[in-house]
Amino acid sequence: QVQLQESGPGLVKPSQTLSLTCTVSGGSISSGRYYWSWIRQPAGKGLEWIGRIFTSGSTNYHPSLRSRVTMSVDTSKNQFSLKLSSVTAADTAVYYCARTIQRIVSSHYYYVMDVWGQGTTVTVSS
Amino acid sequence: DIQMTQSPSSLSASVGDRVTITCRASQNITTYLNWYHQKPGKAPKLLIYAASSLQSGVPSRFSGSGSGTDFTLTISSLQPEDFATYYCQQISSIPFTFGPGTKVDIK
Repeated sequence: QVQLQESGPGLVKPSQTLSLTCTVSGGSISSGRYYWSWIRQPAGKGLEWIGRIFTSGSTNYHPSLRSRVTMSVDTSKNQFSLKLSSVTAADTAVYYCARTIQRIVSSHYYYVMDVWGQGTTVTVSS
Repeated sequence: DIQMTQSPSSLSASVGDRVTITCRASQNITTYLNWYHQKPGKAPKLLIYAASSLQSGVPSRFSGSGSGTDFTLTISSLQPEDFATYYCQQISSIPFTFGPGTKVDIK
């Protein structure tokens, strides 16, 4: 059974870069069938999709974050990562990593986030 | 970006009640809609994808319907473990936006 686990600093100073890693266990990150996604949730608020990366390295980012986001995959470590630069207090949130898979229904492809990490809290503060 | 809205924002219900949550997209997303629920302190869990397909392992009391811009999640008989916040998400176009959530709590 695939499991995901986020890791990284819980406290980041304003203007610095937030760096998180998601470790995949119970399966290979490079099976070729999956995207790997990041989602965040400020305390008491809703979910925001940050972006996703395919094992080939191709990415899709939220337009509002595109200038500050970088995602990467390390297949040798079965990990994928998120970097968010120039952070402010508005970036304080619980960050989740998730596996994204395509489901086929009536010949149409649907992306679903079917396995999630437990989330890690990142606070931006001096 | 496609904007998602949900109604109600919260509701109180009793065990055994039939519960319906509505989600609306700002433009036509055909059936590119997923539903998740989230319990406090936990990660979201996928319930429904493609508007009406039940995720493996999810109880059959959950069902989804709709297409275009209007969608519904129904819980036929609310169970204690169903008290949570429910989110819809469109996966028609990037960014994959979520609705603001509907909190279901105990009456």
